This record gives sequence, structure tokens and C-alpha cells, in this order.
Amino acid sequence: SQQGEEDPQALSIQEGENATMNCSYKTSINNLQWYRQNSGRGLVHLILIRSNEREKHSGRLRVTLDTSKKSSSLLITASRAADTASYFCATDLEDKLVFGAGTILRVKS
Amino acid sequence: DGGITQSPKYLFRKEGQNVTLSCEQNLNHDAMYWYRQDPGQGLRLIYYSQIVNDFQKGDIAEGYSVSREKKESFPLTVTSAQKNPTAFYLCASSTAARTDTQYFGPGTRLTVL
Repeated sequence: SQQGEEDPQALSIQEGENATMNCSYKTSINNLQWYRQNSGRGLVHLILIRSNEREKHSGRLRVTLDTSKKSSSLLITASRAADTASYFCATDLEDKLVFGAGTILRVKS
Repeated sequence: DGGITQSPKYLFRKEGQNVTLSCEQNLNHDAMYWYRQDPGQGLRLIYYSQIVNDFQKGDIAEGYSVSREKKESFPLTVTSAQKNPTAFYLCASSTAARTDTQYFGPGTRLTVL
């Protein structure tokens, strides 16, 4: 299986609610990144967290990293319809970025 | 505006044809990448290049070829040897190291007729 795997595969919430997505990985990493992809478009980088960091914020995004559990979570607070997209985690493995299969988030207005 | 452009947005190929996907960046990035994305799957690395006139195979290079004659350009050719080329193709670039933040183009959707 892949180095990084997101969970859940799909998530549907109401506007204003918080959305949490998780990423688990298998081997030690130097950094972990989260990207967003709107339907039919390219990926957009959201946030990078290094292995010596535990939490990072960017606007309504909060990312945590637990290297002991080899997992990361992405929290989107006060979600908006415009947050509807696929979210991917990417981890460094053998000096390259490896992307998970993604979580599809649907925010209903 | 700085960024990555890909063309065309949609491409149709007949069986046995080679087609070339364009990728240009004006971010002054050294490294460029080609990924393939299939429905419900993550990105798979086809080829990457860290400097001009040099490139390396990724995980699924069979049936594809690339060139890197200029820093700004990294075209991908899908050859007739690629048996299942229908997919969404994404080009990306980064400053140097392969694990740096990558900046993506808008993608090309290739369909085999």
C-alpha cells in the first residue's frame, strides 16, 4: 500500500461545520504536506509541516503531526461551500514526494 | 504572473498515435515533474528533471518520454507503447529538492478514442 493514506475516503458536512481528515504513513519522514485539488484542476499547496513540528496553522487550516503514531490530521474550521475539493497528503519517501489517494470533501450549503 | 501552464486542456488520441503535452513554467524552478492521475487515485510520478538536459524515470515511465532542453519547458510525449493512456496529466515544478513544495499546472485530460 501507499506511503501516505488519507482517511476517510469521502466526507460530507454542512457549511459552518469543521472537517477533519487524517493521513497515516509508514516510514519516517522529514516533512508532510497537504494539497487541495478542485475538480478537474491542478493541486494547490496548502501547508507543509516538518518532522520536528507538532502543529501548524494557516487561516482556517490546522495541521497536526504525530511522528510516534506516523499520522497527521488536517482540520478545516467553519467550512464553506468553496472548500469542496479533494485533499491529499504528501510525504517524502526515498527523496521523492508520494501522494495518497485523497479525501473527497463536500460542503453542503 | 508567475506560474505553470499546460496545454492543451483536453487532448484526444487515436490508437497508435504519439501525442505531446506541453508544460511551461516561469517560476525559475530547477526541478520539474510529470504525474498521472486516474480516478480515485493519488498521483503517480512518470518522469522528473532536476536540471536542464537531465531527467530521470519515475514509477510509471514505460510508454512515456520527456525532454528538458530549456529550464522553462518540460514536454511529455505519450507514445503508442503506452497501452492505457487515458488519464489526467499534471505537471509540477519546485525550487530544487524533490521533497520541496511543488507547484502544479492546471492539467491536461487525455482521452484515447
